[in-house]
Amino acid sequence: GEDVEQSLFLSVREGDSSVINCTYTDSSSTYLYWYKQEPGAGLQLLTYIFSNMDMKQDQRLTVLLNKKDKHLSLRIADTQTGDSAIYFCAERFDSNTGKLIFGQGTTLQVKP
Amino acid sequence: DGGITQSPKYLFRKEGQNVTLSCEQNLNHDAMYWYRQDPGQGLRLIYYSQIVNDFQKGDIAEGYSVSREKKESFPLTVTSAQKNPTAFYLCASSIDPPGQGNQPQHFGDGTRLSIL
Repeated sequence: GEDVEQSLFLSVREGDSSVINCTYTDSSSTYLYWYKQEPGAGLQLLTYIFSNMDMKQDQRLTVLLNKKDKHLSLRIADTQTGDSAIYFCAERFDSNTGKLIFGQGTTLQVKP
Repeated sequence: DGGITQSPKYLFRKEGQNVTLSCEQNLNHDAMYWYRQDPGQGLRLIYYSQIVNDFQKGDIAEGYSVSREKKESFPLTVTSAQKNPTAFYLCASSIDPPGQGNQPQHFGDGTRLSIL
């Protein structure tokens, strides 16, 4: 079945770049998303990429998609303490329903 | 401001009791979703609705029920049949119809349900 995998934890120093990785299994994915969750809150949409794109940049965020390897990454440049949160990747594989499959989330810890 | 409102923020359930979680959106979105989040896990889909008066089971629907009588409202009832209801519940919505371009899901702030 469909599956999305992420590493569970990443720790970086303030000012460094963070790279959060995600792999997925369904080659028919249409859109892939990155969401951010702060403690006790809902999910905030950060960015997304369409499956026919390789890269998308949005201010400090860069999304890379390697469709051959089914690998998605989110790079955060100049990471700040406010970036500390859980980051979820999600794939939309069913274009008829809009259903998303989420990874288990990567906790990003930013040390001052 | 448009958005998704979930209430209450915290909810406690006694054994054998049904409880209902509220989700209201003023984004004029057709599709609405309920997810369950457990610690260290991703979100799992409970139920979703693409249109008023219609809804479908997600991956973990057992012990839950929903209704969609109005476009802006999608309440979730956690029944006594759900033996492990302690979790963080998230409601989301997206513009419809699916299949016509990118319609990301937007989320509420969640309800944390605990057993007394």
